Amino acid sequence: DTGVSQDPRHKITKRGQNVTFRCDPISEHNRLYWYRQTLGQGPEFLTYFQNEAQLEKSRLLSDRFSAERPKGSFSTLEIQRTEQGDSAMYLCASSLSQLAGRGNTQYFGPGTRLTVL
Amino acid sequence: AQTVTQSQPEMSVQEAETVTLSCTYDTSESDYYLFWYKQPPSRQMILVIRQEAYKQQNATENRFSVNFQKAAKSFSLKISDSQLGDAAMYFCAYRSANYGGSQGNLIFGKGTKLSVKP
Repeated sequence: DTGVSQDPRHKITKRGQNVTFRCDPISEHNRLYWYRQTLGQGPEFLTYFQNEAQLEKSRLLSDRFSAERPKGSFSTLEIQRTEQGDSAMYLCASSLSQLAGRGNTQYFGPGTRLTVL
Repeated sequence: AQTVTQSQPEMSVQEAETVTLSCTYDTSESDYYLFWYKQPPSRQMILVIRQEAYKQQNATENRFSVNFQKAAKSFSLKISDSQLGDAAMYFCAYRSANYGGSQGNLIFGKGTKLSVKP
């Protein structure tokens, strides 16, 4: 079990550029979550997949943000036309859903730290 | 909407001593999960302990234990025999147990920074 991995770990970009992050969940996990964490705050939910279906999106996820999870494996989060306010740590987590919605602890990756200049 | 509040931005404890981190939450749901996560500096978040709301017994994991008071909506974390490696940000989190629904995200507090003095 290699855990949740994220790539890249750090990304510096100029305002207006597009960026894409990748998350590889724990292999048997069918649920995948994206969170954003700004300095001094707890993580805030962005979006959530069960297998390849995107089931929920937060109001934080503006139309400049898009996430995909083709084939229910890895996921990508793209931010178009980045703004300085997008600077944050982007965390990915995965879990294994259980019948009737019980259980499932979320395991987090190391995060991608985005800096928009 | 559910909220999680951690009223202690920073805490400090002497090595080998015991410290308690506070967390309160607000919800109208009766079934949910509560978690404590640890985030060491520049390292990834790891689960410390979890509690199911339907269980009256407080969860324990080695030196970590919780005091879950459902009526008071309180969920504190006690760390016994504190070690230098316990120094980190600690986040309290809430998750709805929404049967058959799509909701599965965690709602986090702002965190408590724990320092351990040698």
